[in-house]
Amino acid sequence: EVQLLESGGGLVQPGGSLRLSCAASGFTFSSYAMSWVRQAPGKGLEWVSSIASSGRNTYYADSVKGRFTISRDNSKNTLYFQMNSLRGEDTAVYYCAKDGTSAVKPAALDYWGQGTLVTVSS
Amino acid sequence: DIQMTQSPSTLSASVGDKVTITCRASQSISRWLAWYQQKPGKAPKLLIYDVSSLESGVPSRFSGSASGTEFTLTISSLQPDDFATYYCQQFNTYLYTFGQGTKLEIK
Repeated sequence: EVQLLESGGGLVQPGGSLRLSCAASGFTFSSYAMSWVRQAPGKGLEWVSSIASSGRNTYYADSVKGRFTISRDNSKNTLYFQMNSLRGEDTAVYYCAKDGTSAVKPAALDYWGQGTLVTVSS
Repeated sequence: DIQMTQSPSTLSASVGDKVTITCRASQSISRWLAWYQQKPGKAPKLLIYDVSSLESGVPSRFSGSASGTEFTLTISSLQPDDFATYYCQQFNTYLYTFGQGTKLEIK
């Protein structure tokens, strides 16, 4: 059974940093691209970042480019999201999600974690 | 970046109704479109990928279609469990984008 378990969320002051983790199990983690998608309270889904299966290629939404860094450790089956220079508008539930295919191309997201809440406030 | 315009934002319907949700892409995305269902406090669930391929375990009352850059999710006969929010997503490139969402409410 595929499982994605996010952790690391919490309350942080504006300008602060936070690192999210997503522990994966039930599939060959190193074969799949992974993504982070966030959802602000009462709002829709916003894709923020993806990383190729190898970790060599990364992609970011303009809203987080230069502030957030996605990475992965395939030996630990874990996805990371380093968030720096946090702003109030970064307040959201952050979901990690798995690509639906091991082919090296973009794909629908077939499994999602339960999400972790990040609150940026003084 | 590719924009996805989803409509309507809210839809009121009754059990047994046939409903349609539409998503329009700002440029060609070929068949690289997915639909998700989300219930309050839960993670999104993949329903359909590649325009019309049903994810395993998803009831056959859900279907997807396309005409150019306009994509449609159809629920043929609404069931009580279907009242939720639905999102489209394009994955033509790794710069994924989602539609704004359609909240399906009980009339």
